[in-house]
Amino acid sequence: KNQVEQSPQSLIILEGKNCTLQCNYTVSPFSNLRWYKQDTGRGPVSLTIMTFSENTKSNGRYTATLDADTKQSSLHITASQLSDSASYICVVRNNNAGNMLTFGGGTRLMVKP
Amino acid sequence: ETGVTQTPRHLVMGMTNKKSLKCEQHLGHNAMYWYKQSAKKPLELMFVYNFKEQTENNSVPSRFSPECPNSSHLFLHLHTLQPEDSALYLCASSQETGISNQPQHFGDGTRLSIL
Repeated sequence: KNQVEQSPQSLIILEGKNCTLQCNYTVSPFSNLRWYKQDTGRGPVSLTIMTFSENTKSNGRYTATLDADTKQSSLHITASQLSDSASYICVVRNNNAGNMLTFGGGTRLMVKP
Repeated sequence: ETGVTQTPRHLVMGMTNKKSLKCEQHLGHNAMYWYKQSAKKPLELMFVYNFKEQTENNSVPSRFSPECPNSSHLFLHLHTLQPEDSALYLCASSQETGISNQPQHFGDGTRLSIL
């Protein structure tokens, strides 16, 4: 069964600190993995996409990694800001005819001043 | 502004009411989606339309009825809902369902509460 597990479920950090969010998946065959940010009261917005051949990709203060062998991804946030407070959702697409998406339950991050 | 607009943003209805959720996208996309987002659960895909044709119905109860009159508009008609249907309903669009590396663009959702 295709599954995406994210950890931690929630996280509180102080402004300016770094943090790392984890995503483990069992989706097969793998096509790509995408991280979304969902602000409170808003819809998810794509941060970055990782394909099979990519190990690391950065988008500003966000850096995503992918280990396709261990089926793990991480999202590292550097020098956190109050506006980083949001839910971060990991979504994995499979590579069969259905191109199905499997969503993780998200990590709720709160950045405190 | 994501290019996907959902109305209303909030809806409170009784179990016997009939209401509709509306989604409109201004991105020139050909695929549109309805998702249900409940607290502490992953997003659940409900329906998919590609070029106005429904390509997926993810075992959704018949009290939810989608309608896609054209590639820019998507409706979700609600009838005789249950309290457990209270959730955030998200609409999304993408270029088309067969392009794997394109993101889905989400609206800000309709927060639905069933009394």
